[in-house]
Amino acid sequence: EADIYQTPRYLVIGTGKKITLECSQTMGHDKMYWYQQDPGMELHLIHYSYGVNSTEKGDLSSESTVSRIRTEHFPLTLESARPSHTSQYLCASNPGLPKETQYFGPGTRLLVL
Amino acid sequence: AQTVTQSQPEMSVQEAETVTLSCTYDTSESDYYLFWYKQPPSRQMILVIRQEAYKQQNATENRFSVNFQKAAKSFSLKISDSQLGDAAMYFCAYSDSGTYKYIFGTGTRLKVLA
Repeated sequence: EADIYQTPRYLVIGTGKKITLECSQTMGHDKMYWYQQDPGMELHLIHYSYGVNSTEKGDLSSESTVSRIRTEHFPLTLESARPSHTSQYLCASNPGLPKETQYFGPGTRLLVL
Repeated sequence: AQTVTQSQPEMSVQEAETVTLSCTYDTSESDYYLFWYKQPPSRQMILVIRQEAYKQQNATENRFSVNFQKAAKSFSLKISDSQLGDAAMYFCAYSDSGTYKYIFGTGTRLKVLA
């Protein structure tokens, strides 16, 4: 069982609010990822990190930002939520070689009204 | 650029029967990994099986096995003795060895009929 956590699991919020989605892992993995996924659809990479103080944008353009101040913590922030941000956000971590396996959190379902 | 293609948006299988999910990929790399992930409805995505490209032997995990055809760039997943709990979205994924790059296919929804 992977030790990767996301909070909140569900969030309903009004337009214009600032939100932070939390992601933590206790496995000491350097690589961490954020994906956006509409229910039952494909995953889109929005951010990734190689380690502390390393963050990069992914393939899908996103208005969100991330930070990586500690190895175990990789929060995602939306400064001003909009209805177009409504989606599921999945966090994942990866130990790198030799396994290269993604360990996923349970996800956060975000609804912006 | 690397790509992963799953051409079957949806598959159905009778309980206790066998089903094969298809995946093709494209890469110019020689050292890489291939994966199948399972995402049950409203539940966490988990690894089903992984395959290192340098290994010729096909990976197996209990009822799950793969048919890895490196020259054809094909990586199919076979589920034997299908169970109701196998119903889920299945994602094929590719990873370059040692980089951040992790590419998922569009997924195949598997329905298991009782």
